Amino acid sequence: DAGVIQSPRHEVTEMGQEVTLRCKPISGHDYLFWYRQTMMRGLELLIYFNNNVPIDDSGMPEDRFSAKMPNASFSTLKIQPSEPRDSAVYFCASSLRASSGGYTFGSGTRLTVV
Amino acid sequence: QKEVEQDPGPLSVPEGAIVSLNCTYSNSAFQYFMWYRQYSRKGPELLMYTYSSGNKEDGRFTAQVDKSSKYISLFIRDSQPSDSATYLCAMTLIQGAQKLVFGQGTRLTINP
Repeated sequence: DAGVIQSPRHEVTEMGQEVTLRCKPISGHDYLFWYRQTMMRGLELLIYFNNNVPIDDSGMPEDRFSAKMPNASFSTLKIQPSEPRDSAVYFCASSLRASSGGYTFGSGTRLTVV
Repeated sequence: QKEVEQDPGPLSVPEGAIVSLNCTYSNSAFQYFMWYRQYSRKGPELLMYTYSSGNKEDGRFTAQVDKSSKYISLFIRDSQPSDSATYLCAMTLIQGAQKLVFGQGTRLTINP
């Protein structure tokens, strides 16, 4: 398996623009998580899905953030409009409920909003 | 107060030293404890996984959990330059893919 695949790896955008981050989880995993990592705040859980259904979105900072999982093999995190304070590394992770191995993370998307 | 506290470092030690990394937590209901290693510009990867109190050893790595003190540790013996990374503790209430709570991460450098 290729692991969790995220795209793009890097994104530079201007303030006010819409940004869409993409994630393909490991096949067969039924949980998907979106995290944001910054130096100041560390890893923060934004939202997670179970069987494509959003379970907990309490970490989504504002209405500017939205996430979807239309099927088991694809998820998006959208920021509209983007702001400089959204600059961070965004990670997607997936897991099997029954696993004792924790999450498998993707390589992340480094977002810079100028 | 954060649920999980971890000293961000940075921590710098000479090659061959024993490294001790620690986390404290406030929620006594946490049952599963993990350590992740994150290399620069990569995603975190699972290093060690323990359940409840006790020790677990895997090669040069030993994870300890003291639930009475709400304190977990990761020890690295015979540290190598390739161990240089950020180490994050994480914990959760029940087994499996539930919501993990992460520490801030400790940045570790092993000097040759």
